[in-house]
Amino acid sequence: NAGVTQTPKFQVLKTGQSMTLQCAQDMNHNSMYWYRQDPGMGLRLIYYSASEGTTDKGEVPNGYNVSRLNKREFSLRLESAAPSQTSVYFCASSEARAVNTGELFFGEGSRLTVL
Amino acid sequence: GIQVEQSPPDLILQEGANSTLRCNFSDSVNNLQWFHQNPWGQLINLFYIPSGTKQNGRLSATTVATERYSLLYISSSQTTDSGVYFCAVAHNQGGKLIFGQGTELSVKP
Repeated sequence: NAGVTQTPKFQVLKTGQSMTLQCAQDMNHNSMYWYRQDPGMGLRLIYYSASEGTTDKGEVPNGYNVSRLNKREFSLRLESAAPSQTSVYFCASSEARAVNTGELFFGEGSRLTVL
Repeated sequence: GIQVEQSPPDLILQEGANSTLRCNFSDSVNNLQWFHQNPWGQLINLFYIPSGTKQNGRLSATTVATERYSLLYISSSQTTDSGVYFCAVAHNQGGKLIFGQGTELSVKP
């Protein structure tokens, strides 16, 4: 009964390095999301995917790319990490096909520090 | 865009006390959820409640969509209830799920 699983849980990068955050859900959900959470800024949507093969920008997409590999998996890539990308990243999924409708379930989060 | 305001921003309770958290929103919604972020950072889905009333154990929630607010009730609070409670809404004309700034709850033994 894993739900939404994110890896890695913690990562430290140097400025300019690249990395990919992986997310997988086992609930057969249609929509998947990536959020970042920063002190005083709340949760902000980076990218989302309403269905397999589609992705769209959220509020803060700059510096990120995503890939909806299949229905289960949605990855977030930082091509050239910057200190401003230090944050806690959350993946989420929803059964609803229409974006932002339906009940949202979150993974445990990935804490990324960029030095 | 739709605005979400949560109150109070902070709340300190003695174990066993009851509390009410409020979420006001500025427009019609088709999605409203309450989440609890525990001290370890996990975001746990409490209620999906765009309208009506739901209960789950010591927690219950009511959304009055016509008056644009939702309430989360916590009865007989426990130290494990500590953390931040977020309300999130989406406009019924579409758009992103918008999170409030949260209510930070601390339950003292």
